[in-house]
Amino acid sequence: EDQVTQSPEALRLQEGESSSLNCSYTVSGLRGLFWYRQDPGKGPEFLFTLYSAGEEKEKERLKATLTKKESFLHITAPKPEDSATYLCAVRTDKLIFGTGTRLQVFP
Amino acid sequence: NAGVTQTPKFQVLKTGQSMTLQCAQDMNHEYMSWYRQDPGMGLRLIHYSVGAGITDQGEVPNGYNVSRSTTEDFPLRLLSAAPSQTSVYFCASSQDRGVHNEQFFGPGTRLTVL
Repeated sequence: EDQVTQSPEALRLQEGESSSLNCSYTVSGLRGLFWYRQDPGKGPEFLFTLYSAGEEKEKERLKATLTKKESFLHITAPKPEDSATYLCAVRTDKLIFGTGTRLQVFP
Repeated sequence: NAGVTQTPKFQVLKTGQSMTLQCAQDMNHEYMSWYRQDPGMGLRLIHYSVGAGITDQGEVPNGYNVSRSTTEDFPLRLLSAAPSQTSVYFCASSQDRGVHNEQFFGPGTRLTVL
């Protein structure tokens, strides 16, 4: 059965304290992996798409990487405005979402 | 562009009542979908549409109906609300169903069924 697992469920960081969020998957026929950001009371907002192992994408303090079994979202020197829930989703013949990592960054 | 809009933002229903959640997009996207988001679970696909006049079931379609008479609108109907349908509902759209296309999500409708 296709499965997407995100860890940790919650992460508290001090401003400037870099860290990584993990998205591991067991699927047949990966066609793409997506990262979304979701703020409280709002819909998910697209961040990145990764297609093949070894691919990396960056946006401001965020960098997403992909291997054959997992993806990491690296957050470098985070700021309080980076606080949100980060969702990953894997596309096979359907789109499967993980449950998200809730990130809190404190000043 | 307003993007994807949803109404209402909040709704409380009694068991057995019916209602329609509205979704509209102004990006001329062909693909639209409805998800529900529950605590501890990932977003789950309810129904989707690849174009006007074409709809299909997702992962959790029971208790919901959809129609797509125009490219812009994709309403979700709850036929007879049940407490298990208490959830946050998101509508999303993308240019098409292709793997390269990101989905744009609406702000959500928080539904409580008593």
